[in-house]
Amino acid sequence: KAGVTQTPRYLIKTRGQQVTLSCSPISGHRSVSWYQQTPGQGLQFLFEYFSETQRNKGNFPGRFSGRQFSNSRSEMNVSTLELGDSALYLCASSLAKGQMSYGYTFGSGTRLTVV
Amino acid sequence: QKEVEQNSGPLSVPEGAIASLNCTYSDRGSQSFFWYRQYSGKSPELIMFIYSNGDKEDGRFTAQLNKASQYVSLLIRDSQPSDSATYLCAVNQAGTALIFGKGTTLSVSS
Repeated sequence: KAGVTQTPRYLIKTRGQQVTLSCSPISGHRSVSWYQQTPGQGLQFLFEYFSETQRNKGNFPGRFSGRQFSNSRSEMNVSTLELGDSALYLCASSLAKGQMSYGYTFGSGTRLTVV
Repeated sequence: QKEVEQNSGPLSVPEGAIASLNCTYSDRGSQSFFWYRQYSGKSPELIMFIYSNGDKEDGRFTAQLNKASQYVSLLIRDSQPSDSATYLCAVNQAGTALIFGKGTTLSVSS
C-alpha cells in the first residue's frame, strides 16, 4: 500500500516568490492536513481538508493557502515568501470516519529554504 | 488556544531501563490521544493511540491516559538504543485539528 507522497522533496526559493507543494494521500484517505515544522516551534498546524472542504485552519497569515481535489490530492501555496517560511512542510492523511480521527500518516515532507 | 505541553528533555536512560514520557493538554474536551516517534531527519510515525482512561499496551510500549488530570504518558520498557528519537504527543477532539506538543528527546545509552 503506497504511503503519503509529497513533492518536491527539496525546494530553494527567493524571498518574494511563491511556491506550491503537493501531497497525495494514502488511497482511501479523505482527510489531508498540513503542518509546518521548525526547530524552535515544533509541528504547527496549517490547515485540514476533508472531501475538498477546508475543515480546520491554523493561525497562519493569508499568504498560506491550500486546496483539495476530488481525488483527495492536496496542494498548499505560500505567496510572497519570507525568510521565516524556511521549514519542513509535512502533509498527513487520515482515515477519518465522520468527525473522528484515527491518527495521521505523514509523508516525507518538503524542505523549503527561502534565501 | 489549545496547548499540548511536553518536557523537551533530553531524557537519558540506560539500555534496558524504562523510559517515561509525559504530556499535558489544555483542552478538556479532547478525545483522541496519540504518540508519534520522529527520528532525526525523518517524518513522524504513529506508535500508539488511546481514547479511554487507563492503560493501553502494545509490545514494549504502554500509553496511559488520565482525562481528569488532562495527562497522558508513554512508557517504553526495556529501552533500546534504537528507541533514541523525539517523541511527540498529539491531541484532538472530533472534527478538530490534531495539535502536537514540541516533543521530548529520548537518548538511550548502551
